[in-house]
Amino acid sequence: DAGITQSPRYKITETGRQVTLMCHQTWSHSYMFWYRQDLGHGLRLIYYSAAADITDKGEVPDGYVVSRSKTENFPLTLESATRSQTSVYFCASAPSGTYNEQFFGPGTRLTVL
Amino acid sequence: QKEVEQDPGPLSVPEGAIVSLNCTYSNSAFQYFMWYRQYSRKGPELLMYTYSSGNKEDGRFTAQVDKSSKYISLFIRDSQPSDSATYLCAMGGGSNYKLTFGKGTLLTVNP
Repeated sequence: DAGITQSPRYKITETGRQVTLMCHQTWSHSYMFWYRQDLGHGLRLIYYSAAADITDKGEVPDGYVVSRSKTENFPLTLESATRSQTSVYFCASAPSGTYNEQFFGPGTRLTVL
Repeated sequence: QKEVEQDPGPLSVPEGAIVSLNCTYSNSAFQYFMWYRQYSRKGPELLMYTYSSGNKEDGRFTAQVDKSSKYISLFIRDSQPSDSATYLCAMGGGSNYKLTFGKGTLLTVNP
């Protein structure tokens, strides 16, 4: 009954390093999403996926890469981390046909020094 | 004009009070309206999910949608200290797969 999990929960890295944030869901939901949450900006969509091997950009995709080879996993990679990518990252999933009904993971707090 | 406007608060009420949280929006294409509750340092939790105009009740929580006024509300009856959290409104249906979130209202219920 794990639902949706994210790892790591906390990460500190340096500018220029590559970082991968993991997201795993056990519901077999079709849709998965990555958001970042920043003070003053609220939740902003980075990337989303409608199914395995189908991904598309959201509102703030620059500097991020995603993949979805399996339905249950949706990793987010920061190719070369920058300080502006310091944020709290949330993964979410939604069942087929109801992408509005999104369920969120616990978040990853990322600090880029 | 922002797509979704939500008063950030903070809002502080005594235990047992009725709480009213509101959002306005500008995109008439929105058809799905959600309320999320987010405790400090946790992920948002889906609280209420409604489609189109009308009311929906779930225990102490009532969600109202008035599409003619582009206005949605969440009412919390008999508020409890455990209701202290940030409440986010969210709307969908304006474009594929994208939810538009309000910035959240911080609520504190004092014992």
